[in-house]
Amino acid sequence: ELKVEQNPLFLSMQEGKNYTIYCNYSTTSDRLYWYRQDPGKSLESLFVLLSNGAVKQEGRLMASLDTKARLSTLHITAAVHDLSATYFCAVDGSSNTGKLIFGQGTTLQVKP
Amino acid sequence: DTEVTQTPKHLVMGMTNKKSLKCEQHMGHRAMYWYKQKAKKPPELMFVYSYEKLSINESVPSRFSPECPNSSLLNLHLHALQPEDSALYLCASSQATGGSYEQYFGPGTRLTVT
Repeated sequence: ELKVEQNPLFLSMQEGKNYTIYCNYSTTSDRLYWYRQDPGKSLESLFVLLSNGAVKQEGRLMASLDTKARLSTLHITAAVHDLSATYFCAVDGSSNTGKLIFGQGTTLQVKP
Repeated sequence: DTEVTQTPKHLVMGMTNKKSLKCEQHMGHRAMYWYKQKAKKPPELMFVYSYEKLSINESVPSRFSPECPNSSLLNLHLHALQPEDSALYLCASSQATGGSYEQYFGPGTRLTVT
C-alpha cells in the first residue's frame, strides 16, 4: 500500500527565511503533485512533477522530484506572509486510475 | 478556463434528510472525482468516474451515491447521513485518469449533519 509522508507537519518561520518541506513516498511512482490549501478553501495546484530530476519553480517556491530516493522537496525562498497555508504533496497511487494519495499536509505559518 | 464549480457552498442536513451535491466542469475533462476532507486532514478519495463510468469506489458507505449524468456533471446523493459525515466535500476533474493529468479542484461543499 502506497504511503506518503510529509515533514514537518507544522512550520513556523519568519519572513525572509528559507526552508524546505519534504515528501517521502513508499512505492515507485514518477508522478507527484504539490497543492496549496488556504483555511476553509479548496486545493490549488502548484506543481506537477513527472520525471526523475524534475524541477519546477514559481515565484518563491521550487519543487523537485527524485524518484530513486522516492522524495520530493518544496523549497521556500525568502518567505513572505502570503505563503502561509497548508501544503500537500500527492502521489499517483496506481497507474491510469487517477487515484491520488495525499501526504498529511504541512501547515506553514510565516510571521511578519 | 480551469474552473470546477460546486453547489451548494454550505449544506446543513438532518440524519433523515435526502440531499444532493452538484459539481460541474466545462473543460472537456473526462475524469471526475469526489473527495472527502475532514478538518486538518488531507483529502480522501471517495469515487472516480472515467468517461461517465464509475471506475473507483473506495468502499464508501451506500448512504453516499454518486451519479454522472454526462461528461460535465457529477452529483453526490446523500441519504441517512451520520454526524461523522460532516466534512468538506471536494469535486475534482482531470483530462483523463492516469498519465500526467493534473486534477483541478472545485471550491467544495461544507456539509454539516445534525
